[in-house]
Amino acid sequence: IAGITQAPTSQILAAGRRMTLRCTQDMRHNAMYWYRQDLGLGLRLIHYSNTAGTTGKGEVPDGYSVSRANTDDFPLTLASAVPSQTSVYFCASSPGGYDTGELFFGEGSRLTVL
Amino acid sequence: GQNIDQPTEMTATEGAIVQINCTYQTSGFNGLFWYQQHAGEAPTFLSYNVLDGLEEKGRFSSFLSRSKGYSYLLLKELQMKDSASYLCAVADSNYQLIWGAGTKLIIKP
Repeated sequence: IAGITQAPTSQILAAGRRMTLRCTQDMRHNAMYWYRQDLGLGLRLIHYSNTAGTTGKGEVPDGYSVSRANTDDFPLTLASAVPSQTSVYFCASSPGGYDTGELFFGEGSRLTVL
Repeated sequence: GQNIDQPTEMTATEGAIVQINCTYQTSGFNGLFWYQQHAGEAPTFLSYNVLDGLEEKGRFSSFLSRSKGYSYLLLKELQMKDSASYLCAVADSNYQLIWGAGTKLIIKP
């Protein structure tokens, strides 16, 4: 089934630990995004990539890093997790680069940092 | 700063019509999106408006007034499965999406 796959779907993590959230898409979309969603707030962009080999910072990039070695994969790494990074993380993709177009979302990764 | 405002929660009756409003203040405008998000699930695309006016798609319609910084999503013949959060998002001058916090719509029988 075509779409975006995220892993893990849920994770409890001790503060200070390193964590990588995986995201893979099979739609050959150029652009990919990582958002976090917190209660009472809109989706907030963490990092994005308009095409393989390039990445950019979003609204809330601190404490997170990404890489885009190929078109399909866009992992998000928390180098040293803190409780404020407890959130639901969504990976998304779109066909275009700067032109956002419709976003296709993964099912989300619920992360709890204790 | 950039801001998207929409009501936090709305309640409507099955079979009725409901209008969810969204007002925005952004640096530039390159389109407005509506997404639906069921609890515990991913957002899914509903509509896109870039020109003023009404876009109709089945039971759902979306309206845009760029001069007023205003949009609404109209849902007709409400069904229980329409219970979800509805997210308004605006693409700014850099084509980055600015998201509202979402409107939780509760449908009662």
